[in-house]
This record gives sequence, C-alpha cells and structure tokens, in this order.
Amino acid sequence: GDSVTQTEGLVTLTKGLPVMLNCTYQTTYSPFLFWYVQHLNEAPKLLLKSSTDNKRTEHQGFYATLHKSSSSFHLQKSSVQLSDSALYFCALRPGTGGYKVVFGSGTRLLVSP
Amino acid sequence: EAGVTQSPRYAVLQEGQAVSFWCDPISGHDTLYWYQQPRDQGPQLLVYFRDEAVIDNSQLPSDRFSAVRPKGTNSTLKIQSAKQGDTATYLCASSFSGASQNTLYFGAGTRLSVL
Repeated sequence: GDSVTQTEGLVTLTKGLPVMLNCTYQTTYSPFLFWYVQHLNEAPKLLLKSSTDNKRTEHQGFYATLHKSSSSFHLQKSSVQLSDSALYFCALRPGTGGYKVVFGSGTRLLVSP
Repeated sequence: EAGVTQSPRYAVLQEGQAVSFWCDPISGHDTLYWYQQPRDQGPQLLVYFRDEAVIDNSQLPSDRFSAVRPKGTNSTLKIQSAKQGDTATYLCASSFSGASQNTLYFGAGTRLSVL
C-alpha cells in the first residue's frame, strides 16, 4: 500500500547549523509530496509541496527536491533558527485520481541556543 | 477567509461514554478529512469525503466510530463507546479537489482524553 517513512523521530541541533529531515515513500502511482509543520498546540500547516521530479521547491528558507528514482523528498535548511523547533511531517497523495493523503510518523526538531 | 473550525477543543471522558466532534470546513472545499493523531505521532486517516459521499473509511473502526457529512459542508465524527486507546487529537482538514496538488488545511483539532 501507499506509505511514508520518516526515519528520525527526534533531531536536536544548535541554532545556525544545517538540517536534513529524511522522507521516503512507497506508491505505485505518480505522487504528490508535501511537508507539513506543526508547532506546539497548533494545527499542521503546509510548508512545501511538489509533484515535479528533480525540481527544488523552497519556502521560508526550507527546501526539498522530489527524486522519483529514489522515492525521496528530504527536507533541508541551511541554518536553523529557534523558531524552527516543531514537528515536521512528510505526506503523500498517490496520484490515483483520488484524494487520500497519507502522513509519515513525523520528526521533532529541537533547536537550542 | 475563515479557516477550518472544529469543536469542542477538548473533551475528557470515562471509558464507555460517547462523544461527537464537529467540523466546519473552508467554504468551497469539497473534500473533508478526519485524522486521528496520537501524541507525538503522525496523523492517521480515519475517513474522507468528497461532498457528502464517503470515499474511504477503511481505517475507521466501524463498530464504534461513525462519520457523516450530510449536506457536503459540515461534518460530525462520533465515537459511540470510547476506549482509553482512543486518547488522541482528532484533526479535521479540508481541501478543494480542483486545485493543483490538493493542499490540506487543518483545523486546530479536538484533544480527547479517555480515562
């Protein structure tokens, strides 16, 4: 079935360092991939999305590239800030014509001063 | 533009009690989702609708959970006899199927504790 794997449950970093959060997916269809961010006691909000192979997409300093050859959509940022501390979810919509969206288990990013 | 509205924000129950969650999606959004999010875990799809029709409820525990969206706008998710394992945040999301890539917009959620 369709699924998303996020291998890191928790990532802790010092402010100013780069970060990469891993996301791989499984689907037999042409996928739409998303990154959502959830700050404490808030609803998840869209951070990035893509369905184009090998094209980098960016928003608010974060960026990701969908690689269909490796079924990956890793999230990166060159310099994390304290305000980036949050829960990050990778999500998949299989391009079947339906609108089911499947989420990964999430990665908590903690940024310290 | 108003966002997705959910109520109540919190609910505390004893096992065996019933509870209903209500969701008002963004105006014009034809697709509505209910997710269950256990603490510090990813949202898990329970059911989703296109207009008033259930498209996928394969992950909804049908013996105790039910969901309706009778007019294709607001939706209600009901737990008939809650269990401790139902403790989680219940998120409602909506989207417009005609938009590219189908971004989901989430409500603030209902945090349920079953004692």
